[in-house]
Amino acid sequence: GQNIDQPTEMTATEGAIVQINCTYQTSGFNGLFWYQQHAGEAPTFLSYNVLDGLEEKGRFSSFLSRSKGYSYLLLKELQMKDSASYLCAVRKSGYSTLTFGKGTMLLVSP
Amino acid sequence: DTAVSQTPKYLVTQMGNDKSIKCEQNLGHDTMYWYKQDSKKFLKIMFSYNNKELIINETVPNRFSPKSPDKAHLNLHINSLELGDSAVYFCASSRSGTSGNNEQFFGPGTRLTVL
Repeated sequence: GQNIDQPTEMTATEGAIVQINCTYQTSGFNGLFWYQQHAGEAPTFLSYNVLDGLEEKGRFSSFLSRSKGYSYLLLKELQMKDSASYLCAVRKSGYSTLTFGKGTMLLVSP
Repeated sequence: DTAVSQTPKYLVTQMGNDKSIKCEQNLGHDTMYWYKQDSKKFLKIMFSYNNKELIINETVPNRFSPKSPDKAHLNLHINSLELGDSAVYFCASSRSGTSGNNEQFFGPGTRLTVL
């Protein structure tokens, strides 16, 4: 099976930087995805990592270390609209489906 | 243009009833999925369909049955509804394939309440 762990909640201040960690255990890793989900809305894709290293996309970056089973999502210059749940998801080799973590609720305050 | 659409958005029904949720995507994707998100916001895969064939069937009760009339549609039928079926159900789609960035696009969700 797969085990994915993320912190349940985090708080940060507008304009700051926050790092949301995700650790996973899986056999046959084949990609890690981050999604954002605002309350009452659908998840939307943020980033994808399959090789070790950092992927940068505007204010958001995602890092992966396959040997450590570890990823983080880095959000810079936080805005109030970044208050949402952030979901880490892992894909296994040979499958297109994703297994999601329980999500990290981020609250950005003024 | 809506990429992945679901109907209805809200569904309130009595225990024991049978209901359906419809999903359509206009992205030309070959793979579609159904997820259940419970009250604790845990998003769990239920089914995925690739080219009208069920490729993954997670351990969900057989009261749930996905039906795909064509590759743009994946409907979810639920028989003999139970209280524990209350949740938000999301449909999603992606390009086929098990590698590369085949990100999934989610529909707006259907909030099912069983009384």
